[in-house]
Amino acid sequence: EAGVAQSPRYKIIEKRQSVAFWCNPISGHATLYWYQQILGQGPKLLIQFQNNGVVDDSQLPKDRFSAERLKGVDSTLKIQPAKLEDSAVYLCASSLEVGAYEQYFGPGTRLTVT
Amino acid sequence: EDQVTQSPEALRLQEGESSSLNCSYTVSGLRGLFWYRQDPGKGPEFLFTLYSAGEEKEKERLKATLTKKESFLHITAPKPEDSATYLCAVQANAGKSTFGDGTTLTVKP
Repeated sequence: EAGVAQSPRYKIIEKRQSVAFWCNPISGHATLYWYQQILGQGPKLLIQFQNNGVVDDSQLPKDRFSAERLKGVDSTLKIQPAKLEDSAVYLCASSLEVGAYEQYFGPGTRLTVT
Repeated sequence: EDQVTQSPEALRLQEGESSSLNCSYTVSGLRGLFWYRQDPGKGPEFLFTLYSAGEEKEKERLKATLTKKESFLHITAPKPEDSATYLCAVQANAGKSTFGDGTTLTVKP
């Protein structure tokens, strides 16, 4: 069974530029998560989708971050404009449903903002 | 607001030296508590789910337990390949997941 795919794996941009990350979850998984993980910290939930709909986006900085999950499968996370403090690893995860189901994580995208 | 606190931040053990990692939590209705392992440069890998106080799960040298306020991950006779960061997460009834900052375990041969 294929795991969660993410691209790119690494990205370096200058502040005020824009960037987009892509995630393809495990086939059949209805729930998709985007996390931000700053070095030395645990993952912080940015947004959670159930199929096409948003379950939680309370910690998403909506003035600069946006995410979509068209057709309930792939998802993209965008940052525009980027700030220095956005430097982190962006993790995508998926699970069967919303609920006490384990999450399967992709390898992450390491973003450096200079 | 849901909170997860893990201790210690870092733990160094000799091979074969058993120990425990702690995860304290406050959550508005616990749906499940999860343990993950994260190796450098990789995404977290699922280990266990615990649903209610008193529950225990085991896998090889790892054993997870749950009370109403905390969870422990017991590591028995660890090996160098057990070196990793161990993350604890809770999922509230509302569906939101909250992670702790992890315990980085180093096992020396």
